[in-house]
Amino acid sequence: DGGITQSPKYLFRKEGQNVTLSCEQNLNHDAMYWYRQDPGQGLRLIYYSQIVNDFQKGDIAEGYSVSREKKESFPLTVTSAQKNPTAFYLCASSSSRDSLRETQYFGPGTRLLVL
Amino acid sequence: LAKTTQPISMDSYEGQEVNITCSHNNIATNDYITWYQQFPSQGPRFIIQGYKTKVTNEVASLFIPADRKSSTLSLPRVSLSDTAVYYCLVGDMDTGRRALTFGSGTRLQVQP
Repeated sequence: DGGITQSPKYLFRKEGQNVTLSCEQNLNHDAMYWYRQDPGQGLRLIYYSQIVNDFQKGDIAEGYSVSREKKESFPLTVTSAQKNPTAFYLCASSSSRDSLRETQYFGPGTRLLVL
Repeated sequence: LAKTTQPISMDSYEGQEVNITCSHNNIATNDYITWYQQFPSQGPRFIIQGYKTKVTNEVASLFIPADRKSSTLSLPRVSLSDTAVYYCLVGDMDTGRRALTFGSGTRLQVQP
């Protein structure tokens, strides 16, 4: 089956700890995205990548880092600098670099909780 | 400055037609209008996309007036399973960024 997978489904972070959220796609899509969603709110863009080895900051990139070493993978690290990381994290991909038109396909999400 | 404006919530009953209007006064010439649906604890799912006039697929219709400053998502004969949050998106050309911006969406509650 083609699609986007995110792992883990739930993740717990201790104070001062860095954690990494995985996102993998086998759709052969060029572009990938990370969003954060707080309860009752819309999605906010953290980072996006339109091609391997390149990525751009979104609206709320502070406290997060990403890498795009492979076309199919776009991991997100939530660093200790992110003081309020508790949220639902969604990864998405689209087939071309022009995300304004191409449909975004979303993964099932990772819920991050702070202990 | 918000890119799109939608009602926060709407209520309907099964079998009714639901129309959700989105305002996008600053839409750019080459922007498309895209709608997504999101169920709780899931990622959004693409519903429909259009540039002008009317677009229809098996799920919904999208009406876009000539000035393109608004659009209306029409869901025919809704069922309980249509209870979800609906997002209207346009491009984000102000920052020169080629990425979509999701607003807060419209929470549709369908009653039996």
